Amino acid sequence: EAQVTQNPRYLITVTGKKLTVTCSQNMNHEYMSWYRQDPGLGLRQIYYSMNVEVTDKGDVPEGYKVSRKEKRNFPLILESPSPNQTSLYFCASSFGPYQPQHFGDGTRLSIL
Amino acid sequence: GIQVEQSPPDLILQEGANSTLRCNFSDSVNNLQWFHQNPWGQLINLFYIPSGTKQNGRLSATTVATERYSLLYISSSQTTDSGVYFCAVTISNFGNEKLTFGTGTRLTIIP
Repeated sequence: EAQVTQNPRYLITVTGKKLTVTCSQNMNHEYMSWYRQDPGLGLRQIYYSMNVEVTDKGDVPEGYKVSRKEKRNFPLILESPSPNQTSLYFCASSFGPYQPQHFGDGTRLSIL
Repeated sequence: GIQVEQSPPDLILQEGANSTLRCNFSDSVNNLQWFHQNPWGQLINLFYIPSGTKQNGRLSATTVATERYSLLYISSSQTTDSGVYFCAVTISNFGNEKLTFGTGTRLTIIP
């Protein structure tokens, strides 16, 4: 089954404790991206990747890191999480930036 | 950056009614997509429609790129249509592959 898998689905943690949210897709997509969703603000793109070892900033990259060492994986790293990063996070993939996006089921992060 | 505005922000309809959701954008785009976020939070791609008209069952979408807007039509609404509808665009600018979302239209279908 074609899918985008995010883990964990839910996480409560404390300020400053490094965390990684994994994202994996099995559709051989080249384009992958991360979004955060906050009430009243819709979805905002954090980072995107056009292909392996090619990443670029979206609209809200501060406080986040990404890497794309393999085509199927695109982890989101919060080196020193802060409460303002409490949000619902989505990973998405597609064959290209102008192709239909396929979303994971989301990861709800709470930073205390 | 590009501005993406959706209207109306909220819409409450009786089951069986038709609805039209609008997405306005402030710059030329080469990518426009419509998504449905269901009450469980899942985001489903409905249409990839940078221009023209497409139909999928009770849903159809039209994008008039020259006038910078897109419309999503839902006919004979069902309760399963409830949720938030987003449009998202990428501007026509080589080297920019960012996807910008509108703030959504929340649709509630009452049985």
